[in-house]
Amino acid sequence: ELKVEQNPLFLSMQEGKNYTIYCNYSTTSDRLYWYRQDPGKSLESLFVLLSNGAVKQEGRLMASLDTKARLSTLHITAAVHDLSATYFCAVHGSGTASKLTFGTGTRLQVTL
Amino acid sequence: DSGVTQTPKHLITATGQRVTLRCSPRSGDLSVYWYQQSLDQGLQFLIQYYNGEERAKGNILERFSAQQFPDLHSELNLSSLELGDSALYFCASSGTGPKDTQYFGPGTRLTVL
Repeated sequence: ELKVEQNPLFLSMQEGKNYTIYCNYSTTSDRLYWYRQDPGKSLESLFVLLSNGAVKQEGRLMASLDTKARLSTLHITAAVHDLSATYFCAVHGSGTASKLTFGTGTRLQVTL
Repeated sequence: DSGVTQTPKHLITATGQRVTLRCSPRSGDLSVYWYQQSLDQGLQFLIQYYNGEERAKGNILERFSAQQFPDLHSELNLSSLELGDSALYFCASSGTGPKDTQYFGPGTRLTVL
């Protein structure tokens, strides 16, 4: 059974600082996603990573994938308050079924 | 706005009752997925339909069932409701390409009293 672990669970950081969220998964996968969720809202797709070494960047967020280590990272550069949200990684299992297994989420709080 | 719509937004009901949640996928998407989000279980996959047929099942209780209709909208039926069924229920849709992302609807918040 595919298991996805994220850490940290909660991250409080000051504006302007850098930090990384980690996502480990237990079995081979061909796709990994990062989503953002604001309180009480839906999930917004941020990145999809399809291959080993894939790197995607959007604004202050950069995601990478190492399929050999079964590890993805979401790096936050020079955080701003608007980035405060919960971030989830989701791993697509191998095979024809397209279900996603989600990590526990990382609640990011950016303080002034 | 992801293009996925869900109704109703909120639902309050009593234990033992039955409810139906509705989802319309993005235009052109054939796959629909249902997820449950609760504080203790996190985000869990329930079931997937592709073009009207069940494709994958996750941690879906026997009291729950779903279907996808010819116009591709989907319904999730929850019966004999228990307090623990209170959660946010999300529908997502996607195309079939290898790069296709699952786009999530706004969710239905179910409260069982």
